[in-house]
Amino acid sequence: EAQVTQNPRYLITVTGKKLTVTCSQNMNHEYMSWYRQDPGLGLRQIYYSMNVEVTDKGDVPEGYKVSRKEKRNFPLILESPSPNQTSLYFCASSLKGQGTGYTFGSGTRLTVV
Amino acid sequence: QQPVQSPQAVILREGEDAVINCSSSKALYSVHWYRQKHGEAPVFLMILLKGGEQKGHEKISASFNEKKQQSSLYLTASQLSYSGTYFCGTEIGTGGFKTIFGAGTRLFVKA
Repeated sequence: EAQVTQNPRYLITVTGKKLTVTCSQNMNHEYMSWYRQDPGLGLRQIYYSMNVEVTDKGDVPEGYKVSRKEKRNFPLILESPSPNQTSLYFCASSLKGQGTGYTFGSGTRLTVV
Repeated sequence: QQPVQSPQAVILREGEDAVINCSSSKALYSVHWYRQKHGEAPVFLMILLKGGEQKGHEKISASFNEKKQQSSLYLTASQLSYSGTYFCGTEIGTGGFKTIFGAGTRLFVKA
């Protein structure tokens, strides 16, 4: 089944403790992206990747890191999480990025206390 | 640069129609439409690339105006399963890979 797989689905952590949210897609998509969703604000882009080893900042990149060493994987790293990063995170992929629709993962609900 | 969606929320009875609008201050490369049900991921509905384009099937369709600054999503003879939040995602210009989403329109269909 074609899908984007995120893990974990739920995560509660403490301020400052490094964490990684994994994202993997099995559709051979070139483009992958991370979004955070907060009430009333919609989906805001954190980082995106156009292909292996090519990444760029979205609209809200502060406090996050990403890497794209393999085409299928695009992990999101929070090196020192803070409470304002409590949010619902979605990974998405698309065939080419521009002019093609996205497939979203199931989401990761992160709480930083 | 976030596109403006309207209305913010709408309540329908089964069988009624609805229109959701998405407007940008700049000409767009494309517009995507997604539906998200509570607790789930957004699901891709359709993408429009050309000014004047209309797309979709008879119950859910969308248009993209000639100036490529506004798109509308049409929900006809709504069903209970149409309930959810609808988002438009917009791409500005060529060469860029950012899709910016509107704040969403909450649609509730009641029996």
